[in-house]
Amino acid sequence: NAGVTQTPKFQVLKTGQSMTLQCAQDMNHEYMSWYRQDPGMGLRLIHYSVGAGITDQGEVPNGYNVSRSTTEDFPLRLLSAAPSQTSVYFCASSYYRQPGEKETQYFGPGTRLLVL
Amino acid sequence: SQQGEEDPQALSIQEGENATMNCSYKTSINNLQWYRQNSGRGLVHLILIRSNEREKHSGRLRVTLDTSKKSSSLLITASRAADTASYFCATLGSGSEKLVFGKGTKLTVNP
Repeated sequence: NAGVTQTPKFQVLKTGQSMTLQCAQDMNHEYMSWYRQDPGMGLRLIHYSVGAGITDQGEVPNGYNVSRSTTEDFPLRLLSAAPSQTSVYFCASSYYRQPGEKETQYFGPGTRLLVL
Repeated sequence: SQQGEEDPQALSIQEGENATMNCSYKTSINNLQWYRQNSGRGLVHLILIRSNEREKHSGRLRVTLDTSKKSSSLLITASRAADTASYFCATLGSGSEKLVFGKGTKLTVNP
């Protein structure tokens, strides 16, 4: 199993540009999520999904869109990049057995994004 | 706002010593999880403790949970230089779908 994969590993954008961060998992996990990690802030939840066709907002959703058309993929879209979105982005997945149950999260290697 | 808060923010010890990190949280939880992150890498799950459990062990790791005090601790015994990393607690609130992370404790183990 490849686990959770993320592409690209590093990206530089100009303010106002759009892009999609890719995330894929091959463990048949129902639950997938996106976090951003900033120095001194820990990880903050952006969006999450409990299954194909179902997404919901986390702590810091503004400026980001997600969709979940398949179990395997959970792309994160930046609509109009801003310098405040400079961060390291992590995708994670886990089994989802029932509402309120959250098992071990498996994390991807991260995408470093720099917005100029 | 973030649910879990780790303490201390940074910890430096000698190889062979024990390291203790604490996590406090604000609301009732379903479970609490500890993760490790090596510099520049993704997070790796260490241990999960459910709200009805008080203590769990995994190798050199010992986690305790005190729901009355809304706190947890992670003990790493006989630390090694390879344990140098940042450690995060994450909480799943009761009835919530969101796993919320704290800001982490940066552990340095000196050889």
